[in-house]
Amino acid sequence: DTAVSQTPKYLVTQMGNDKSIKCEQNLGHDTMYWYKQDSKKFLKIMFSYNNKELIINETVPNRFSPKSPDKAHLNLHINSLELGDSAVYFCASSLSRGFGELFFGEGSRLTVL
Amino acid sequence: AQSVSQHNHHVILSEAASLELGCNYSYGGTVNLFWYVQYPGQHLQLLLKYFSGDPLVKGIKGFEAEFIKSKFSFNLRKPSVQWSDTAEYFCAVNGGGNQGGKLIFGQGTELSVKP
Repeated sequence: DTAVSQTPKYLVTQMGNDKSIKCEQNLGHDTMYWYKQDSKKFLKIMFSYNNKELIINETVPNRFSPKSPDKAHLNLHINSLELGDSAVYFCASSLSRGFGELFFGEGSRLTVL
Repeated sequence: AQSVSQHNHHVILSEAASLELGCNYSYGGTVNLFWYVQYPGQHLQLLLKYFSGDPLVKGIKGFEAEFIKSKFSFNLRKPSVQWSDTAEYFCAVNGGGNQGGKLIFGQGTELSVKP
């Protein structure tokens, strides 16, 4: 039973399209995150929600919009996809917004053609 | 702002060689420190973490790391690597609740172990 699960695992789409990635955690954690891993494997925080409240919003184009319907789910919607959006997007969760470790999902590889 | 620097971009070792990967961070307050591993095509998994107490922490698969506060370092070590240790290794720092609990990652070190 996967602790942090993301769908889809692979996504190939054309420039200009809109797409969503979904994430669910069954760990009972309060805090969830989206990270972007670029082609050089660099991991950068994008967003974080704590119990459905947005607490981190890094410098990310407003084409990216996260949504957290409840504390177990955090979705990422991307409008007007660009070539530079191609990356692996990782969802993660932690017990709280403090010092704890993050548990990562398996990643969603987005390829924009 | 917090930052994490990993000294080695790509390390190539033969099996049974010893490993040390460098990690330095910049943050003036209390931090928690982590090493994550990412096997090819997989997600990040926690190797070990330091929260407080003994600065020498032991993790899974024979890995250990030493927190040296005066040097702002948290280097990862393994006495004898195996081919299965081939992966990307990430050092990360967490500055606590006022940072939203986010982890700041280093740029990663690719480890290739030759059989």
